[in-house]
Amino acid sequence: NAGVTQTPKFQVLKTGQSMTLQCAQDMNHNSMYWYRQDPGMGLRLIYYSASEGTTDKGEVPNGYNVSRLNKREFSLRLESAAPSQTSVYFCASRRMENTEAFFGQGTRLTVV
Amino acid sequence: GEDVEQSLFLSVREGDSSVINCTYTDSSSTYLYWYKQEPGAGLQLLTYIFSNMDMKQDQRLTVLLNKKDKHLSLRIADTQTGDSAIYFCAERGDSSASKIIFGSGTRLSIRP
Repeated sequence: NAGVTQTPKFQVLKTGQSMTLQCAQDMNHNSMYWYRQDPGMGLRLIYYSASEGTTDKGEVPNGYNVSRLNKREFSLRLESAAPSQTSVYFCASRRMENTEAFFGQGTRLTVV
Repeated sequence: GEDVEQSLFLSVREGDSSVINCTYTDSSSTYLYWYKQEPGAGLQLLTYIFSNMDMKQDQRLTVLLNKKDKHLSLRIADTQTGDSAIYFCAERGDSSASKIIFGSGTRLSIRP
C-alpha cells in the first residue's frame, strides 16, 4: 500500500527556474491538497481539489499552479521559482469531507 | 477568516502529562483534529473529536473541547520519549468542509 507518493523528495532550483511537484494517491480518494510547511507557520494550504475536475485556491496560492490530472494525481507547478518558495511541500488526500487526511513524505525545495 | 493558533513549544519531563492547547475561529467546524509529525515525515492523524462532544479519551490521549471558547486541548498522559514530535491542531476551514486548516504546530520535547 503506497498511500500518497510525492516526487521528488529533494530539489534545488535557481531563481526563475520552473518545476512540477508530482503527487499520486492509490486510495481512490476524492480530495487532494498541497501544503507548504515553514518554521513557526505550520502548514499553509496552497491549493486543493475537492474532487476530480475541480481546483480551488487556498491561503497562499500566489506563484503556484495546480492540475488535477485525474482522480489519482494532483501536481503543483512553480512557473518561476523565487527564494520565498523555499519550503517543505506536502501533498495530502482524503476520501471525503470529515475523514482522515493522509500525507505524503514531503518534498524539500530550496530556491537559490 | 479562518485561523488556528497554538503555542510553538512545550517541554515536559518524561512520565509527566503534556497538555497542548489550540484555539480556532470557525464555529461551524464539525470535526477537530490532532495530527502528529515525527522528524522527516509527513503528518499522521492522532485523534479527532466531533463537535458535539466535550471529551474523547483514547488510551493515553484525552481531547477536551470547549465550543463556547473555541478551545481544544490534547493531553498525553505518562509522556514518553517516543512522543517527541510536532503536534498540529486542525479544523475543516470553511462551511464547504473541503479544506483542512492547520495550526502552527507545537513542538513537544521530553526531558529525562
